Amino acid sequence: DAMVIQNPRYQVTQFGKPVTLSCSQTLNHNVMYWYQQKSSQAPKLLFHYYDKDFNNEADTPDNFQSRRPNTSFCFLDIRSPGLGDAAMYLCATSRDQGGSDEQFFGPGTRLTVL
Amino acid sequence: GQNIDQPTEMTATEGAIVQINCTYQTSGFNGLFWYQQHAGEAPTFLSYNVLDGLEEKGRFSSFLSRSKGYSYLLLKELQMKDSASYLCAVADSNYQLIWGAGTKLIIKP
Repeated sequence: DAMVIQNPRYQVTQFGKPVTLSCSQTLNHNVMYWYQQKSSQAPKLLFHYYDKDFNNEADTPDNFQSRRPNTSFCFLDIRSPGLGDAAMYLCATSRDQGGSDEQFFGPGTRLTVL
Repeated sequence: GQNIDQPTEMTATEGAIVQINCTYQTSGFNGLFWYQQHAGEAPTFLSYNVLDGLEEKGRFSSFLSRSKGYSYLLLKELQMKDSASYLCAVADSNYQLIWGAGTKLIIKP
């Protein structure tokens, strides 16, 4: 089945220790997104790629970076995680960026910062 | 600024009908989505409306009024598995999704 895969599902890191979250997709979609979601809050868009074109949201902290080495894979790097970065990180894809293009989400990575 | 408002929490009874409202103020409009999100899981797509009116899909229906900046999600014949958060999201003029914080729906037997 075509899908969006995120690894790991649960990640524990130490305060200040870099961490990388990964996402892959078999849908062959052009657009990939990274969201941060905290409990009972709306998903917050961090980055998105249209093909290889990188788009950084204006309020995404410099502590967060992203890479998309090819169509199928996307990575989220958190350079120095703080306690406030503990959240669910959701990867999503869409076929295109038209209004009707629904986003397909991976299962998420829950990040704990100790 | 851009804003999506929906109730924080609602409670309904198994077998009943519930309506979850969403109002929005966005820079441009290219459609409104409803997603379902079970606790600790990723959102899954339920519906998309871009024209005024009602879209029916099984037990779920979604309504849109663009002039009022208003949508609702109607869930019929509620089942316990419908206990989840329901998120409203609007595609703005740049096709970026503006998300609401979600409505937590609690179903009681």
